[in-house]
Amino acid sequence: DGGITQSPKYLFRKEGQNVTLSCEQNLNHDAMYWYRQDPGQGLRLIYYSQIVNDFQKGDIAEGYSVSREKKESFPLTVTSAQKNPTAFYLCASSSRTYGYTFGSGTRLTVV
Amino acid sequence: QQQVKQSPQSLIVQKGGISIINCAYENTAFDYFPWYQQFPGKGPALLIAIRPDVSEKKEGRFTISFNKSAKQFSLHIMDSQPGDSATYFCAASPYGGSQGNLIFGKGTKLSVKP
Repeated sequence: DGGITQSPKYLFRKEGQNVTLSCEQNLNHDAMYWYRQDPGQGLRLIYYSQIVNDFQKGDIAEGYSVSREKKESFPLTVTSAQKNPTAFYLCASSSRTYGYTFGSGTRLTVV
Repeated sequence: QQQVKQSPQSLIVQKGGISIINCAYENTAFDYFPWYQQFPGKGPALLIAIRPDVSEKKEGRFTISFNKSAKQFSLHIMDSQPGDSATYFCAASPYGGSQGNLIFGKGTKLSVKP
Protein backbone atom coordinates (compact mmCIF):
# COMPACT_ATOMS: atom_id res chain seq x y z
CA ASP A 1 0.00 0.00 0.00
CA GLY A 2 1.20 3.51 -0.81
CA GLY A 3 1.48 5.95 2.02
CA ILE A 4 3.60 7.91 4.45
CA THR A 5 5.41 6.24 7.32
CA GLN A 6 6.48 8.25 10.32
CA SER A 7 8.66 6.82 13.05
CA PRO A 8 8.86 6.55 15.92
CA LYS A 9 5.26 6.97 17.06
CA TYR A 10 6.44 8.25 20.46
CA LEU A 11 9.74 9.95 21.22
CA PHE A 12 11.18 11.31 24.42
CA ARG A 13 13.86 13.99 24.42
CA LYS A 14 16.07 15.09 27.26
CA GLU A 15 16.95 18.74 27.73
CA GLY A 16 19.73 19.82 25.34
CA GLN A 17 19.42 16.78 23.13
CA ASN A 18 18.86 16.69 19.38
CA VAL A 19 16.38 14.14 18.06
CA THR A 20 15.45 13.14 14.51
CA LEU A 21 11.98 12.21 13.33
CA SER A 22 11.74 9.98 10.29
CA CYS A 23 9.33 10.41 7.38
CA GLU A 24 9.27 8.09 4.36
CA GLN A 25 6.78 8.06 1.47
CA ASN A 26 6.27 5.63 -1.37
CA LEU A 27 3.69 7.74 -3.21
CA ASN A 28 6.22 9.20 -5.66
CA HIS A 29 5.19 12.70 -4.53
CA ASP A 30 7.61 15.51 -5.26
CA ALA A 31 6.65 17.78 -2.35
CA MET A 32 6.97 16.93 1.34
CA TYR A 33 6.14 18.90 4.49
CA TRP A 34 6.54 18.96 8.25
CA TYR A 35 3.79 20.38 10.45
CA ARG A 36 3.63 20.87 14.18
CA GLN A 37 0.32 20.44 15.99
CA ASP A 38 -0.42 21.88 19.42
CA PRO A 39 -3.82 21.81 21.15
CA GLY A 40 -5.98 24.67 19.91
CA GLN A 41 -3.30 25.83 17.43
CA GLY A 42 -4.16 23.87 14.35
CA LEU A 43 -1.27 22.79 12.14
CA ARG A 44 1.71 25.06 11.67
CA LEU A 45 4.24 24.59 8.89
CA ILE A 46 7.84 23.97 9.95
CA TYR A 47 9.62 23.19 6.66
CA TYR A 48 8.70 22.04 3.20
CA SER A 49 10.54 20.65 0.19
CA GLN A 50 9.34 20.68 -3.39
CA ILE A 51 12.27 18.78 -4.92
CA VAL A 52 15.27 16.76 -3.79
CA ASN A 53 18.12 18.78 -2.28
CA ASP A 54 15.92 21.83 -1.82
CA PHE A 55 13.75 22.97 1.08
CA GLN A 56 12.21 26.15 2.47
CA LYS A 57 11.42 27.41 5.93
CA GLY A 58 7.82 27.53 7.02
CA ASP A 59 6.24 29.70 9.68
CA ILE A 60 7.99 28.18 12.71
CA ALA A 61 11.36 26.87 11.44
CA GLU A 62 13.49 28.14 14.34
CA GLY A 63 15.05 25.27 16.27
CA TYR A 64 14.41 22.72 13.53
CA SER A 65 16.42 21.42 10.59
CA VAL A 66 15.64 19.12 7.64
CA SER A 67 17.31 17.39 4.73
CA ARG A 68 15.99 16.02 1.43
CA GLU A 69 18.65 13.74 -0.03
CA LYS A 70 16.13 11.31 -1.52
CA LYS A 71 12.68 11.86 -2.98
CA GLU A 72 11.21 9.33 -0.56
CA SER A 73 12.68 10.71 2.66
CA PHE A 74 12.34 13.99 4.57
CA PRO A 75 13.71 13.68 8.13
CA LEU A 76 13.19 16.42 10.70
CA THR A 77 15.72 17.17 13.42
CA VAL A 78 14.51 18.94 16.53
CA THR A 79 17.56 20.69 17.90
CA SER A 80 18.36 21.86 21.42
CA ALA A 81 17.60 25.39 20.20
CA GLN A 82 13.89 24.52 20.08
CA LYS A 83 12.83 25.55 23.57
CA ASN A 84 9.35 24.10 23.56
CA PRO A 85 9.48 20.95 21.44
CA THR A 86 6.70 18.97 23.09
CA ALA A 87 4.08 18.55 20.36
CA PHE A 88 2.57 16.22 17.78
CA TYR A 89 4.59 16.28 14.54
CA LEU A 90 3.00 15.47 11.22
CA CYS A 91 4.70 14.75 7.92
CA ALA A 92 2.83 15.13 4.64
CA SER A 93 3.43 14.84 0.93
CA SER A 94 1.50 16.16 -2.02
CA SER A 95 0.87 15.75 -5.70
CA ARG A 96 -1.15 17.76 -8.20
CA THR A 97 -3.59 14.93 -8.67
CA TYR A 98 -4.15 13.66 -5.15
CA GLY A 99 -3.49 16.68 -2.94
CA TYR A 100 -1.98 16.19 0.49
CA THR A 101 -1.47 12.90 2.31
CA PHE A 102 -0.47 12.86 5.98
CA GLY A 103 1.42 10.35 8.04
CA SER A 104 0.14 9.13 11.40
CA GLY A 105 2.40 11.44 13.39
CA THR A 106 5.13 11.37 16.02
CA ARG A 107 4.41 12.56 19.54
CA LEU A 108 7.52 14.18 21.01
CA THR A 109 7.78 14.79 24.74
CA VAL A 110 10.57 16.52 26.67
CA VAL A 111 11.51 14.67 29.84
CA GLN B 1 -3.96 37.55 4.38
CA GLN B 2 -2.59 34.08 4.83
CA GLN B 3 -5.01 33.12 7.59
CA VAL B 4 -7.95 30.78 7.44
CA LYS B 5 -10.42 31.49 10.23
CA GLN B 6 -12.48 28.52 11.41
CA SER B 7 -15.50 28.43 13.70
CA PRO B 8 -16.77 27.17 16.04
CA GLN B 9 -13.88 25.84 18.10
CA SER B 10 -16.07 23.04 19.40
CA LEU B 11 -19.46 21.66 18.48
CA ILE B 12 -21.84 19.23 20.14
CA VAL B 13 -24.57 17.70 18.00
CA GLN B 14 -27.16 15.03 18.67
CA LYS B 15 -27.10 11.86 16.61
CA GLY B 16 -29.00 12.42 13.39
CA GLY B 17 -28.52 16.18 13.47
CA ILE B 18 -26.64 18.46 11.08
CA SER B 19 -23.12 19.61 11.95
CA ILE B 20 -21.99 22.87 10.35
CA ILE B 21 -18.44 24.21 10.45
CA ASN B 22 -17.50 27.50 8.83
CA CYS B 23 -14.28 28.91 7.44
CA ALA B 24 -13.29 32.27 5.98
CA TYR B 25 -10.21 33.40 4.10
CA GLU B 26 -8.74 36.63 2.76
CA ASN B 27 -6.25 35.63 0.10
CA THR B 28 -7.97 35.62 -3.29
CA ALA B 29 -5.12 33.53 -4.72
CA PHE B 30 -6.40 30.49 -2.83
CA ASP B 31 -7.94 28.04 -5.26
CA TYR B 32 -8.12 24.76 -3.37
CA PHE B 33 -10.19 24.25 -0.22
CA PRO B 34 -9.96 20.84 1.46
CA TRP B 35 -11.45 19.59 4.69
CA TYR B 36 -9.58 17.13 6.86
CA GLN B 37 -10.85 14.79 9.56
CA GLN B 38 -8.54 13.83 12.41
CA PHE B 39 -9.07 11.24 15.11
CA PRO B 40 -7.02 11.37 18.33
CA GLY B 41 -3.44 10.20 17.85
CA LYS B 42 -3.79 9.97 14.08
CA GLY B 43 -2.83 12.15 11.16
CA PRO B 44 -5.48 14.20 9.33
CA ALA B 45 -7.22 12.44 6.47
CA LEU B 46 -8.69 14.21 3.47
CA LEU B 47 -12.46 14.21 3.73
CA ILE B 48 -13.62 16.34 0.82
CA ALA B 49 -12.25 19.25 -1.20
CA ILE B 50 -13.60 21.94 -3.50
CA ARG B 51 -12.21 24.32 -6.08
CA PRO B 52 -13.74 27.77 -6.67
CA ASP B 53 -15.36 26.92 -9.99
CA VAL B 54 -18.25 25.20 -8.16
CA SER B 55 -20.45 26.40 -5.30
CA GLU B 56 -21.20 23.04 -3.73
CA LYS B 57 -19.76 19.54 -3.61
CA LYS B 58 -21.39 16.55 -1.99
CA GLU B 59 -19.90 13.19 -1.04
CA GLY B 60 -22.25 10.98 0.90
CA ARG B 61 -23.28 12.78 4.10
CA PHE B 62 -20.60 15.45 3.69
CA THR B 63 -21.17 18.65 1.71
CA ILE B 64 -18.95 21.65 1.11
CA SER B 65 -20.67 24.94 0.35
CA PHE B 66 -18.47 27.62 -1.21
CA ASN B 67 -19.21 31.34 -1.49
CA LYS B 68 -16.50 32.95 -3.58
CA SER B 69 -17.74 36.53 -3.23
CA ALA B 70 -17.89 36.27 0.57
CA LYS B 71 -14.65 34.27 0.70
CA GLN B 72 -16.29 31.69 2.90
CA PHE B 73 -16.76 27.95 2.77
CA SER B 74 -18.44 25.52 5.09
CA LEU B 75 -18.71 21.81 5.83
CA HIS B 76 -22.12 20.28 6.46
CA ILE B 77 -22.38 16.80 7.95
CA MET B 78 -25.87 15.44 7.50
CA ASP B 79 -27.32 12.74 9.77
CA SER B 80 -24.33 13.11 12.12
CA GLN B 81 -23.19 9.87 13.78
CA PRO B 82 -21.11 9.19 16.91
CA GLY B 83 -18.39 7.84 14.61
CA ASP B 84 -18.10 11.34 13.12
CA SER B 85 -16.76 12.61 16.45
CA ALA B 86 -13.34 13.98 15.54
CA THR B 87 -11.49 17.23 14.93
CA TYR B 88 -12.16 18.83 11.57
CA PHE B 89 -9.77 21.22 9.85
CA CYS B 90 -10.48 23.42 6.89
CA ALA B 91 -7.56 24.51 4.76
CA ALA B 92 -6.75 26.62 1.75
CA SER B 93 -3.96 26.77 -0.75
CA PRO B 94 -2.92 28.37 -4.01
CA TYR B 95 -1.46 26.24 -6.85
CA GLY B 96 -4.44 23.91 -6.78
CA GLY B 97 -3.20 22.29 -3.59
CA SER B 98 -0.39 20.41 -5.24
CA GLN B 99 2.52 22.21 -3.64
CA GLY B 100 3.46 25.09 -1.42
CA ASN B 101 1.88 25.94 1.84
CA LEU B 102 -1.50 24.48 2.79
CA ILE B 103 -2.90 26.96 5.33
CA PHE B 104 -5.01 25.35 8.04
CA GLY B 105 -7.76 26.66 10.24
CA LYS B 106 -7.38 25.98 13.96
CA GLY B 107 -9.81 23.10 13.96
CA THR B 108 -13.26 22.26 15.28
CA LYS B 109 -13.74 19.46 17.76
CA LEU B 110 -17.03 17.75 16.95
CA SER B 111 -18.81 15.54 19.46
CA VAL B 112 -21.89 13.66 18.30
CA LYS B 113 -24.00 12.47 21.22
CA PRO B 114 -25.93 9.21 20.89
